[in-house]
Amino acid sequence: GAGVSQSPSNKVTEKGKDVELRCDPISGHTALYWYRQSLGQGLEFLIYFQGNSAPDKSGLPSDRFSAERTGGSVSTLTIQRTQQEDSAVYLCASSDQGWPNEKLFFGSGTQLSVL
Amino acid sequence: AQRVTQPEKLLSVFKGAPVELKCNYSYSGSPELFWYVQYSRQRLQLLLRHISRESIKGFTADLNKGETSFHLKKPFAQEEDSAMYYCALSGLTGANNLFFGTGTRLTVIP
Repeated sequence: GAGVSQSPSNKVTEKGKDVELRCDPISGHTALYWYRQSLGQGLEFLIYFQGNSAPDKSGLPSDRFSAERTGGSVSTLTIQRTQQEDSAVYLCASSDQGWPNEKLFFGSGTQLSVL
Repeated sequence: AQRVTQPEKLLSVFKGAPVELKCNYSYSGSPELFWYVQYSRQRLQLLLRHISRESIKGFTADLNKGETSFHLKKPFAQEEDSAMYYCALSGLTGANNLFFGTGTRLTVIP
């Protein structure tokens, strides 16, 4: 594949609705990350998947946020009952290298707007 | 807990002038540090990492454990260096997360 693919590229939703964001990592990459990029806030870590290990969910801001990674490949980030403060760019990244050589390849992101 | 601080949100320098983007960190163990860059309308990408001791596009970064800093430097800025720069830290905490600072937007004035 050409790189990390995210869909949709833009999503506009109404407050209270659920949304699903998809990430297709580079084939063979065992590590997958989700970040949120808000204006003036930098990149906020959300969740990290590594192989078959239990994911690190320590960055999820509330129980409205959840993520899955099926078959060690595609990942879906779900936001339930969206709020206006959820508006941000959601970035996915994958990597095939472990610490300390971690090199992340990022997708182009999903711009989420909650009205 | 790990933290990465980039004190400057915006930095402007003239073409040909030296540039330094500051990054300070806090981490109880031995971290690995990285710089990522996002050019206009492009994806976020790795610029350089401390462990590789590399110089990429003329940029270097030295890890100063005493000052807990990993400042990014270039002796002569070019217009194409204008971008958003993020400092990032990874620690062997069992999850190997990569934590980013808030970023510095560098503008090189022609």
